[in-house]
Amino acid sequence: AQSVTQPDIHITVSEGASLELRCNYSYGATPYLFWYVQSPGQGLQLLLKYFSGDTLVQGIKGFEAEFKRSQSSFNLRKPSVHWSDAAEYFCAVGVTSGGYNKLIFGAGTRLAVHP
Amino acid sequence: GAVVSQHPSRVICKSGTSVKIECRSLDFQATTMFWYRQFPKQSLMLMATSNEGSKATYEQGVEKDKFLINHASLTLSTLTVTSAHPEDSSFYICSARVAGSYEQYFGPGTRLTVT
Repeated sequence: AQSVTQPDIHITVSEGASLELRCNYSYGATPYLFWYVQSPGQGLQLLLKYFSGDTLVQGIKGFEAEFKRSQSSFNLRKPSVHWSDAAEYFCAVGVTSGGYNKLIFGAGTRLAVHP
Repeated sequence: GAVVSQHPSRVICKSGTSVKIECRSLDFQATTMFWYRQFPKQSLMLMATSNEGSKATYEQGVEKDKFLINHASLTLSTLTVTSAHPEDSSFYICSARVAGSYEQYFGPGTRLTVT
């Protein structure tokens, strides 16, 4: 079955510290992978995506993610976190099901940033 | 580019009434739109996939007679919650994509409260 696992429900880091949010997926075909960020009461904003090619993907706001096929992972990283990065982060995999392309989301990781 | 709007952003309605939520792609033509529901501190749950000019495809467990979806044009989809009840209170998010793409652009969401 297709699924996305984000093992960390809640993470707290200090401002300026590095960050890694974990994401593992289960999908039989070539995955299309996404990271979205959601601020409270808002919709989702795309941080970055992986379709093919270079497995290290650069996104907006200084984020990057690395696709590791052997580990079925697509972890999100940022070298130095800013207070404004506090939000909910969702990993998603694009799948084809019933003839439709759709996204399957992980449960999300809530990031808190301490000053 | 790729902006999706939702209207209204917040709505309060009485139990038993119906409420309509609009989702518009402002600067692109969306062959497919998606409707999600998000409970507090939880991930997005796909409710249905809507293709322009055809009937929506509902996910398992979603009542199609209660959540009416119309996708009359390439820039507009509507979700009507019929005979709303307090348990329908939630955050509803739409997204849109162009044909053949996995990438979805999300609206800002609509907070529905049924009293």
